[in-house]
Amino acid sequence: KQEVTQIPAALSVPEGENLVLNCSFTDSAIYNLQWFRQDPGKGLTSLLLIQSSQREQTSGRLNASLDKSSGRSTLYIAASQPGDSATYLCAVISGNTGKLIFGQGTTLQVKP
Amino acid sequence: EAEVAQSPRYKITEKSQAVAFWCDPISGHATLYWYRQILGQGPELLVQFQDESVVDDSQLPKDRFSAERLKGVDSTLKIQPAELGDSAMYLCASSLWTGSSPLHFGNGTRLTVT
Repeated sequence: KQEVTQIPAALSVPEGENLVLNCSFTDSAIYNLQWFRQDPGKGLTSLLLIQSSQREQTSGRLNASLDKSSGRSTLYIAASQPGDSATYLCAVISGNTGKLIFGQGTTLQVKP
Repeated sequence: EAEVAQSPRYKITEKSQAVAFWCDPISGHATLYWYRQILGQGPELLVQFQDESVVDDSQLPKDRFSAERLKGVDSTLKIQPAELGDSAMYLCASSLWTGSSPLHFGNGTRLTVT
């Protein structure tokens, strides 16, 4: 059974700092991995999707990497801003049903 | 940019009452998902549709929950009777196809059962 873990559960950093969020999964047979952002009381916004054949994806100040063999992904946020404060969730699709399995998220606070 | 529409945004109901949520996916998206998210946790899949057919409802509490997508477009999730433990955010998502296509989520329905 696929399990997804995110560490740390919460993170507080000063504005301008570069930071890394971690995601690990137990079954390396995945189709893709997706990172989401969730603001309080809102739905999920897709940030980056990495296909199983890819090693990384970049969007603006965000860079996500994928190492299937070790069951790990990282989300790198450069030059963090207070507007980046949110919960970040990673999720993997494994198997052929497209079922997305989520981690519990990392809640990020960027202090001005 | 096209969005997944959900209604209502908030719902407060008493236990033992019936409640229903509606979702309209992005046009052309064949796959539709209902997720439940308890506060402080990641979302968990309740049911997945491919067009009008159920692909996965293994985590749906079928004694009280039901879901349908009759014409393969919009979908309704119903709870009857509601229990206190059903209080959560109910999220709908859609994707072009099953597998490698990214999921797009709606803003969710926040359910409070009193």
